[in-house]
Amino acid sequence: QSALTQPASVSGSPGQSITISCTGTSSDVGGYNYVSWYQQHPGKAPKLMIYDVSNRPSGVSNRFSGSKSGNTASLTISGLQAADEADYYCSSYTTSSSVVFGGGTKVTVL
Amino acid sequence: QVQLVESGGGLVKPGGSLRLSCAASGFTFTDYYMTWIRQAPGKGLEWVSYISSRSSSIHYADSVKGRFTISRDNDENSLYLQMNSLRAEDTAVYYCARDKLFSDYWGQGTLVTVSS
Repeated sequence: QSALTQPASVSGSPGQSITISCTGTSSDVGGYNYVSWYQQHPGKAPKLMIYDVSNRPSGVSNRFSGSKSGNTASLTISGLQAADEADYYCSSYTTSSSVVFGGGTKVTVL
Repeated sequence: QVQLVESGGGLVKPGGSLRLSCAASGFTFTDYYMTWIRQAPGKGLEWVSYISSRSSSIHYADSVKGRFTISRDNDENSLYLQMNSLRAEDTAVYYCARDKLFSDYWGQGTLVTVSS
């Protein structure tokens, strides 16, 4: 199972919006609405930010939103803040009954 | 509150074995699939395996199939990962996480280092 494709890095200024893409295939991202997104700060465990493409867990800011079109899912962070600087990973369930992660995107707040 | 606490990591020689444990509390363990996810130093997340609530459904990543075995003890609220024939590329922080399709709770991780 190949990893989902994410850009290595995305940057933005405070207050701006950024979007991270996550591209898979019809066997994973395109085949199910089971895409999730995780935020990971250095030395910490990942934190769930979005599940089932566009749902936010309780306690996650509404500045984070998710969407999907075909084989590509996206995470948008609006009103970028310094605390959003972290690594972000997408994941998807697959037709092989496995789970696959993206390679990760480093978000830098300029 | 939900807590997942991993243990059992350490330094092991190539070809060796190690058993990781994850103690769960704060939720009804038998209601959930459980998952192991790992992260090599400086690298991204890699899904390893998941197990259904009654152990009837188990799946592994190709990279560990035949070498790793996931199991759980619902009486002890514990998840396990038996790792055999360890290789240098298995060096990683291993996280246990709740659920299968998405993981809303993660442990703090336990470091496994495979080196001679």
